[in-house]
Amino acid sequence: KQEVTQIPAALSVPEGENLVLNCSFTDSAIYNLQWFRQDPGKGLTSLLLIQSSQREQTSGRLNASLDKSSGRSTLYIAASQPGDSATYLCAVEDSGNTPLVFGKGTRLSVIA
Amino acid sequence: EAGVAQSPRYKIIEKRQSVAFWCNPISGHATLYWYQQILGQGPKLLIQFQNNGVVDDSQLPKDRFSAERLKGVDSTLKIQPAKLEDSAVYLCASSFKGLRGTQYFGPGTRLLVL
Repeated sequence: KQEVTQIPAALSVPEGENLVLNCSFTDSAIYNLQWFRQDPGKGLTSLLLIQSSQREQTSGRLNASLDKSSGRSTLYIAASQPGDSATYLCAVEDSGNTPLVFGKGTRLSVIA
Repeated sequence: EAGVAQSPRYKIIEKRQSVAFWCNPISGHATLYWYQQILGQGPKLLIQFQNNGVVDDSQLPKDRFSAERLKGVDSTLKIQPAKLEDSAVYLCASSFKGLRGTQYFGPGTRLLVL
């Protein structure tokens, strides 16, 4: 059974810092991995999707990497801003016809 | 393009009462998902519809939860009777391509069972 773990559970950084969020998964036979953002009281917004054959994806100040063999992904946020404050969730889609498995998320606070 | 709509946004009920949530997916999206997100946890899939047929309801507590998607558009999720542990945010999502497509989430319904 696939399990997704995110470390740290919470992170507070000053504005302008570069930061890394970590995600690990137990079964490397994945189809893709997604990073989502969740703002308080709101739904999830998909940030980046990495197919199993890819190593990384970039969108603006965000870069997500995937190492399937070690069961890890990282989300790199460059030059953090207060508007980046949110909970970031990692989710894995297995190779079979199975639903997304989510981690518990990392709650990020960027202090101005 | 309008997003996924959900109502109500908040609901407070007493245990053993019943409650229903409504979801309207993005137009043209054949696949609809209901997730349960307990505080401090990631979302957990309850049920997935493809048009008006159920694809996966393996994690739906069928003794108290039910869901339907009549005409393959709107969907309702019902809990009867509610338990304290049902307190959570219920998220609806839709996608164009099913499991392999990007899922678009609604704002969720926050349920508190007292």
